[in-house]
Amino acid sequence: EVQLVESGGGLVQPGRSLKLSCAASGFTFSNYGMAWVRQTPTKGLEWVASISTGGGNTYYRDSVKGRFTISRDNAKNTQYLQMDSLRSEDTATYYCARHLYGSYFDYWGQGVMVTVSS
Amino acid sequence: DIVLTQSPALAVSLGQRATISCRASQSVSTSSYNLMHWYQQKPGEQPKLLIYDASNLASGIPVRFSGSGSGTDFTLTINPVQADDIATYYCQQSRELPLTFGSGTKLEIK
Repeated sequence: EVQLVESGGGLVQPGRSLKLSCAASGFTFSNYGMAWVRQTPTKGLEWVASISTGGGNTYYRDSVKGRFTISRDNAKNTQYLQMDSLRSEDTATYYCARHLYGSYFDYWGQGVMVTVSS
Repeated sequence: DIVLTQSPALAVSLGQRATISCRASQSVSTSSYNLMHWYQQKPGEQPKLLIYDASNLASGIPVRFSGSGSGTDFTLTINPVQADDIATYYCQQSRELPLTFGSGTKLEIK
């Protein structure tokens, strides 16, 4: 059974950093692209970033470029999202997702809440 | 960015057909693929993939779900609607970055 379990969320002040983790199991992690998608009541679902199987290719939405870094450790079956210079508009539930062919997301984690507030 | 437009809500009777639409601001089709995908999200849960590439049923999804469309106009059909289908449905395109989602259609029981 495919499982994706996020961790690392919480309350953080604007301008500070936070690192999310996503532990994967139930499939050969190194064979799949991965992604982060966030959701807020006002903006809905937003794709944040994606990473290729080996980690050599990464992609970001414009609003997080230069502030967020997606990475993965295939030996640990884990992907990460390093979030720096956080803003209030980054407040959201962040989902880890398996990203097939750079196209659709076939499995999602349960989500982790990130709140950016002073 | 490609904008995906969905109606906010749809009310249907149990056992009837539900048709949920998604219109893209530009074509999301290539010569080989229609790069539109559909998800179901119930309150407090993560989204679940229903349909990929416009018309392909994801693993484990009941056959009462189906998808169609090409270019800019796509449809998710649920027939017949069951009580367990009450949820919000989102479309998502992968024709170009940034990947974008529709704002969701909330399926309600009439």
